[in-house]
Amino acid sequence: DGGITQSPKYLFRKEGQNVTLSCEQNLNHDAMYWYRQDPGQGLRLIYYSQIVNDFQKGDIAEGYSVSREKKESFPLTVTSAQKNPTAFYLCASSPQDNEQFFGPGTRLTVL
Amino acid sequence: GDSVTQMEGPVTLSEEAFLTINCTYTATGYPSLFWYVQYPGEGLQLLLKATKADDKGSNKGFEATYRKETTSFHLEKGSVQVSDSAVYFCALRPTFYNQGGKLIFGQGTELSVKP
Repeated sequence: DGGITQSPKYLFRKEGQNVTLSCEQNLNHDAMYWYRQDPGQGLRLIYYSQIVNDFQKGDIAEGYSVSREKKESFPLTVTSAQKNPTAFYLCASSPQDNEQFFGPGTRLTVL
Repeated sequence: GDSVTQMEGPVTLSEEAFLTINCTYTATGYPSLFWYVQYPGEGLQLLLKATKADDKGSNKGFEATYRKETTSFHLEKGSVQVSDSAVYFCALRPTFYNQGGKLIFGQGTELSVKP
């Protein structure tokens, strides 16, 4: 089945640690996106990539980093510089100029 | 810049009631418009879309019409069910390609349907 997978579903981080969230898609989509969702709020764009080996900052990129070495994969690293990382993280992919398809999300909690 | 505004929730309805969730937008040109639905603890699912003025998107009994004159894309359903309880997001994709295809979301409207 085609789709987007995110892992892990739940992730716990100690303060000062970097953690990496996985996002994989087998839809052959060119573009991929990372969003952050906080309770009662909409989605805010962290980073996006329209093509392999290229990515751009979104609205809230500080404290995050990404890579796009393969078309299928777009991992997000939450660094220790991100002061308030507890949130629900959603990955999405899209064919060019079309709607986005979302993964199931990863809930990150800082202990 | 481009933005989306949704009516605040939560919205609580009885089963079989009529649903309207208001969505208005600010954008240059001719954005594409979307409604997504999110069930508890899950990602977003595309519910319907419209890509040009006067288009009507529809799916699973939900409808929304792209009204450029009022810059609106209100979501409607004639008879809601308990299973429709979720958070609904209105979103737009800006017109210009150099925006990277990114979506701009409203803050979401929580719908609760009681039996």
